Amino acid sequence: DAGITQSPRHKVTETGTPVTLRCHQTENHRYMYWYRQDPGHGLRLIHYSYGVKDTDKGEVSDGYSVSRSKTEDFLLTLESATSSQTSVYFCAISELGGTGNGYTFGSGTRLTVV
Amino acid sequence: GENVEQHPSTLSVQEGDSAVIKCTYSDSASNYFPWYKQELGKRPQLIIDIRSNVGEKKDQRIAVTLNKTAKHFSLHITETQPEDSAVYFCAAETLGSNYQLIWGAGTKLIIKP
Repeated sequence: DAGITQSPRHKVTETGTPVTLRCHQTENHRYMYWYRQDPGHGLRLIHYSYGVKDTDKGEVSDGYSVSRSKTEDFLLTLESATSSQTSVYFCAISELGGTGNGYTFGSGTRLTVV
Repeated sequence: GENVEQHPSTLSVQEGDSAVIKCTYSDSASNYFPWYKQELGKRPQLIIDIRSNVGEKKDQRIAVTLNKTAKHFSLHITETQPEDSAVYFCAAETLGSNYQLIWGAGTKLIIKP
């Protein structure tokens, strides 16, 4: 569906452990984004990428890092997970950035930090 | 930078009635405004969008209007049905670093039977 998959779909991890979420696309889109969604906060941008090895911070980037070594994969890493990072994480892709055809979202990863 | 405000945060309408959700934006240079629908437990999905050279766009029961002078745009849903119950997000394109969408906080639309 829409050429974007996220893995894992669900994860429970312990405080202090590193966690990596994967976003994989088959659309060859240039732009990829990681968002977190929490009740009452809508969609908040964590990091985004505008090309291989080209990434930038979003509004809630503290405690997160990303990597994009090839067009199709965008990894989000929580260096040392905290309970405040319990959230639903969405990856999105876009061919032309915000303009053009908008974003296509993955199905999300529900992360629980205990 | 761009800021998008969305109202109301919750909207409850009787089935069959119309629903209107409004968004305002701050950057007059923005020229692309999409709307997304997110059903419970699902991903946000694009339902309609509008560009600044157009004042209104329709797709069956949904329509979007844009007033560039006032810097606001609205989503209109007519003849609402139970499957319209969802959270709706508006967004506006920013021409800042690398073209991004700036998001509204979302509107929870409840359709009462």
